[in-house]
Amino acid sequence: DQQVKQNSPSLSVQEGRISILNCDYTNSMFDYFLWYKKYPAEGPTFLISISSIKDKNEDGRFTVFLNKSAKHLSLHIVPSQPGDSAVYFCAASAGDYKLSFGAGTTVTVRA
Amino acid sequence: DADVTQTPRNRITKTGKRIMLECSQTKGHDRMYWYRQDPGLGLRLIYYSFDVKDINKGEISDGYSVSRQAQAKFSLSLESAIPNQTALYFCATEIYNTQYFGPGTRLTVL
Repeated sequence: DQQVKQNSPSLSVQEGRISILNCDYTNSMFDYFLWYKKYPAEGPTFLISISSIKDKNEDGRFTVFLNKSAKHLSLHIVPSQPGDSAVYFCAASAGDYKLSFGAGTTVTVRA
Repeated sequence: DADVTQTPRNRITKTGKRIMLECSQTKGHDRMYWYRQDPGLGLRLIYYSFDVKDINKGEISDGYSVSRQAQAKFSLSLESAIPNQTALYFCATEIYNTQYFGPGTRLTVL
């Protein structure tokens, strides 16, 4: 049973616009959340994270929002650039050094 | 040079064969992990190791075994490969709740 769900397998966005990726989780013990980005033929690379004591974390063009009551987090990319075209994985940890991953969302940024 | 390396990068094998996937890291991290990625399922944890003497099963360990030869090396073995083990395999290290992944091994079992 997947505890982390990314219900949108794909997202297409125009260059310069905002990309919003969503993630839902079911395990209330999760207290740390991460987003990873993956290009073809490469391993996932860490993008941004957020602790459950926060509701927002920003790093340049990337912002992650956490809504604990809804068990929902989202990743905003503003502005979207062609190099952002990749698969994005949401992941969560319950403080046991293990991650549970969502199935991923493929983002395509159109010129 | 990459911090987490995996060999081989691609492998095609036959049903019933034994195969070993190797992972090495230069990051100096104690915790290491093996995952497999299948389309539509994300990454699933096979085994993990918190130090050389500590090995733990993940959610899908059946049909796999591991060996932690040193802090820097963590190998995954398929004792008798079967076609549904065809997948992309990733090794990762972890520190401060963040995992760092190798480039992956694409394994095909015919």
